[in-house]
Amino acid sequence: GAGVSQSPSNKVTEKGKDVELRCDPISGHTALYWYRQSLGQGLEFLIYFQGNSAPDKSGLPSDRFSAERTGGSVSTLTIQRTQQEDSAVYLCASSPKADTQYFGPGTRLTVL
Amino acid sequence: QQQVKQSPQSLIVQKGGISIINCAYENTAFDYFPWYQQFPGKGPALLIAIRPDVSEKKEGRFTISFNKSAKQFSLHIMDSQPGDSATYFCAASKGTGGGNKLTFGTGTQLKVEL
Repeated sequence: GAGVSQSPSNKVTEKGKDVELRCDPISGHTALYWYRQSLGQGLEFLIYFQGNSAPDKSGLPSDRFSAERTGGSVSTLTIQRTQQEDSAVYLCASSPKADTQYFGPGTRLTVL
Repeated sequence: QQQVKQSPQSLIVQKGGISIINCAYENTAFDYFPWYQQFPGKGPALLIAIRPDVSEKKEGRFTISFNKSAKQFSLHIMDSQPGDSATYFCAASKGTGGGNKLTFGTGTQLKVEL
């Protein structure tokens, strides 16, 4: 079946611009996660959605970052007033239950 | 504060050899320890995972060894193949109530040479 999809695959933007990154989870998966992978670093947790519960935003690095999940499916990660340090690969994962997370291919964000 | 420390950063192994990657964690509340494999341009894929109620788990050529008292776990790849060349990440999470958000190590780039 279809896996987690993310769009765009690559995004180049100028410092100060806003960007939106999209994630389409696997159908039926109730949990959705966003992670950030910076060059040479491991993955860093950003935010977690589980069903209709309030999201866990504990990993968001600043108030410039926000995310929403509409209808319990598609999620959008928004970064306002982008900075060069925001350049990274943004990965989305979904999960049908506890433990196993299935990752999408990521969106590579470059802030010039 | 890095809660999961991974070593080595890179590893070169001959075909047919054993690849060993080590991780150490600090948070004793972690109760789920997966390993992910990532190829260039792809998202990480779950390889194998273990819970602390067992000391070892084997799936094919991949084995996790877990030492709860030392707060360490390792991945062993037996009979390493060129197709195993990838970046490997260890991770840890708190299951129930923790949302299973993963804390990752910094990754190990494995190269298997012919």
